[in-house]
Amino acid sequence: GESVGLHLPTLSVQEGDNSIINCAYSNSASDYFIWYKQESGKGPQFIIDIRSNMDKRQGQRVTVLLNKTVKHLSLQIAATQPGDSAVYFCAELLSGGYNKLIFGAGTRLAVHP
Amino acid sequence: GAVVSQHPSWVICKSGTSVKIECRSLDFQATTMFWYRQFPKQSLMLMATSNEGSKATYEQGVEKDKFLINHASLTLSTLTVTSAHPEDSSFYICSAMGRSGEQFFGPGTRLTVL
Repeated sequence: GESVGLHLPTLSVQEGDNSIINCAYSNSASDYFIWYKQESGKGPQFIIDIRSNMDKRQGQRVTVLLNKTVKHLSLQIAATQPGDSAVYFCAELLSGGYNKLIFGAGTRLAVHP
Repeated sequence: GAVVSQHPSWVICKSGTSVKIECRSLDFQATTMFWYRQFPKQSLMLMATSNEGSKATYEQGVEKDKFLINHASLTLSTLTVTSAHPEDSSFYICSAMGRSGEQFFGPGTRLTVL
């Protein structure tokens, strides 16, 4: 079936650097995407979302980019901090009124001092 | 606002017993709740969609007789793992859908079956 996947399973960065986490999706009909952060032993935490009529959306220290041509999402974290260490998932909302979220495989972000 | 709780946060049980996990939306009503399962170092996999007052809709490959879902009120959905076995050990996460359609996630329940 269709799924959302990630290019990099693990990303290590130095504190203060910018981080970029990538995600590829396969359902061209999806029109809503979300990035979540999950710390160990906890539920997913909403970070930022984007609709398919947008290419870019910015939040506090985070930016999501959407390239519909190649079905690619990215999450950029500016000035990465130790507290950003977690697993990051992109999720795709299936169209058709089902409200189902399909999660990608996840990328572990490790921030080193 | 938009807080979702789960109880218990962790549970250990013997093989063959049943375990009930509760998911509550604390400050909003949710006609729809979702149950996910997450194995170690893996992603969240949707198990079922729970609708208040009606039967749950299960994803392909999820046994409805093994994972019983009851959504008896607008703030509570329960997942009962019946006759649990070690392979059912996992992290179970629920989410509750608010009016805007956004899903708010619970903190998860760690189930260990011995």
